[in-house]
Amino acid sequence: NAGVTQTPKFRVLKTGQSMTLLCAQDMNHEYMYWYRQDPGMGLRLIHYSVGEGTTAKGEVPDGYNVSRLKKQNFLLGLESAAPSQTSVYFCASSYSMVSGARHTEAFFGQGTRLTVV
Amino acid sequence: SQQGEEDPQALSIQEGENATMNCSYKTSINNLQWYRQNSGRGLVHLILIRSNEREKHSGRLRVTLDTSKKSSSLLITASRAADTASYFCATSGGYNKLIFGAGTRLAVHP
Repeated sequence: NAGVTQTPKFRVLKTGQSMTLLCAQDMNHEYMYWYRQDPGMGLRLIHYSVGEGTTAKGEVPDGYNVSRLKKQNFLLGLESAAPSQTSVYFCASSYSMVSGARHTEAFFGQGTRLTVV
Repeated sequence: SQQGEEDPQALSIQEGENATMNCSYKTSINNLQWYRQNSGRGLVHLILIRSNEREKHSGRLRVTLDTSKKSSSLLITASRAADTASYFCATSGGYNKLIFGAGTRLAVHP
């Protein structure tokens, strides 16, 4: 049981380049999220998904796009990277029903450290 | 925007002492959760307290919630060097979207 897996773990981009961050969860969770963490701050929500084929904007969505084509995967795309997107990105998943009980705690991946130069 | 403030921003104690961290928030909540983050790693869920609960225990952790003051506290008893980490409170709204505070950096010295 791997939990939440993010790839890649590190990446350096040049301004204007594009990339996709991959997130996979094996806990059959309904909800998935992308957060970013900047120095001295807590995590801020970029986008989230409440089910396969659905996505919604979070607190800081500009410059990012997401897709959730399969329940277990949630992709975060940067179309034209900017230095302001230098950050650590975390994927998380939550919400499942087990034996009639709701489980809402979030499980996080290990993060992707992205530097845009 | 951040949900609120965590206090203190940093805390340094000796092994065996208790550590108390406080969190304030701004909006109504479904529940409040505490997470731990070791340096350079992902966040790990510690404990969840629902809006209709006032206190909850889990091992050496004790969490209180005062919805009238929009505040929560996390107490770690008999701290260990391995408890050294950053601790974040997060409020949960619809679809379990989490809004985090800036965190408390805890250092426990042997």
